[in-house]
Amino acid sequence: SQQGEEDPQALSIQEGENATMNCSYKTSINNLQWYRQNSGRGLVHLILIRSNEREKHSGRLRVTLDTSKKSSSLLITASRAADTASYFCAYGAVSARQLTFGSGTQLTVLP
Amino acid sequence: DAGVIQSPRHEVTEMGQEVTLRCKPISGHNSLFWYRQTMMRGLELLIYFNNNVPIDDSGMPEDRFSAKMPNASFSTLKIQPSEPRDSAVYFCASSPQDSSPLHFGNGTRLTVT
Repeated sequence: SQQGEEDPQALSIQEGENATMNCSYKTSINNLQWYRQNSGRGLVHLILIRSNEREKHSGRLRVTLDTSKKSSSLLITASRAADTASYFCAYGAVSARQLTFGSGTQLTVLP
Repeated sequence: DAGVIQSPRHEVTEMGQEVTLRCKPISGHNSLFWYRQTMMRGLELLIYFNNNVPIDDSGMPEDRFSAKMPNASFSTLKIQPSEPRDSAVYFCASSPQDSSPLHFGNGTRLTVT
């Protein structure tokens, strides 16, 4: 399956700063999801945004979706050391029944 | 809810041996997915099942790979014979329906020497 692209590949910030990760995709989608993966563990779903939505919030997470640019961003505000993980976007294409995952962003939050 | 359960957590085997990875999805979930994760290729979908029926196995790399789902609560991914390039972390995930959020197991780290 063709992966979405994420940038940056790696991001290192200080605790308390905001972290922004971007995702681009190439097809029409039903929804876009963000997942988090801690080292040695499986992915955990964070948030889902539908194709007819432009912005969604969940706690310290803010997701935006621009279907005209085929892109999404994940903002983590007031980051904590515990936010250190890899973050993946995944989209459900209109033409497919399964999710396609992006290449991931490795976030390191320094205490 | 125990989540998606995979076994074993780690598997080390020699080239040419048969490897069987196991997955128990969350009860009531209709879709089950097998993914492979490597540094080079990221997260790749190998195969997915809906209501125990394989829907898309286009991601299965070779005939050496096979997957079954004999019932709603169990699935296996088999590699026979295994090769060093099969070394990766294999994840099983389930969801209530297609394109719904996935629930991942903690994976099986496979090392083929």
